[in-house]
Amino acid sequence: QKEVEQNSGPLSVPEGAIASLNCTYSDRGSQSFFWYRQYSGKSPELIMSIYSNGDKEDGRFTAQLNKASQYVSLLIRDSQPSDSATYLCAVTPNSGNTPLVFGKGTRLSVIA
Amino acid sequence: GAVVSQHPSWVICKSGTSVKIECRSLDFQATTMFWYRQFPKQSLMLMATSNEGSKATYEQGVEKDKFLINHASLTLSTLTVTSAHPEDSSFYICSATGTSGSWEQYFGPGTRLTVT
Repeated sequence: QKEVEQNSGPLSVPEGAIASLNCTYSDRGSQSFFWYRQYSGKSPELIMSIYSNGDKEDGRFTAQLNKASQYVSLLIRDSQPSDSATYLCAVTPNSGNTPLVFGKGTRLSVIA
Repeated sequence: GAVVSQHPSWVICKSGTSVKIECRSLDFQATTMFWYRQFPKQSLMLMATSNEGSKATYEQGVEKDKFLINHASLTLSTLTVTSAHPEDSSFYICSATGTSGSWEQYFGPGTRLTVT
């Protein structure tokens, strides 16, 4: 059973702080890792993808992957109230034809 | 790029009727589309995987005769909820992955179904 684990939260951070979201996965053969943001009542929006060990930065977002520890994280710098949402970690073994395995999501609340 | 649309965005139907939801990839060819369902305050649940030109693969517990999926072209997949009941009321979301070699999946905006 492939599993993706996330702390459900809520994670509360003050505006301007760094929000750190964590995710672990059980399938050691996983190759592709994604972070999606989902606002209440909306569908998920892809914000980051990472495929190799290390850090990947895109604006205020940094994804970190450690395959040896089966761990992927998302850092959000200078958090804004508009970042308040549920963040979903998703993992897939190989190609895009394989369904994503989602974590249950971490609810982030950025306090102004 | 990588835009996925769904139609309708919301629908209300009476119990016992059927509802069709369309999922389109607007700027890429989608070899595979996925259908999800999400109940309030719950996580996404994968219903089925749809490959163009072949039968959909349904997840365990999803009734294939109730949730009919057709993926007739590289840009369109449809989900038909047959003989809908109030317990089928949910948020239905499709996602698509393309032929470009990207492994990323892009989600449509979702369809909110209410069965009265």
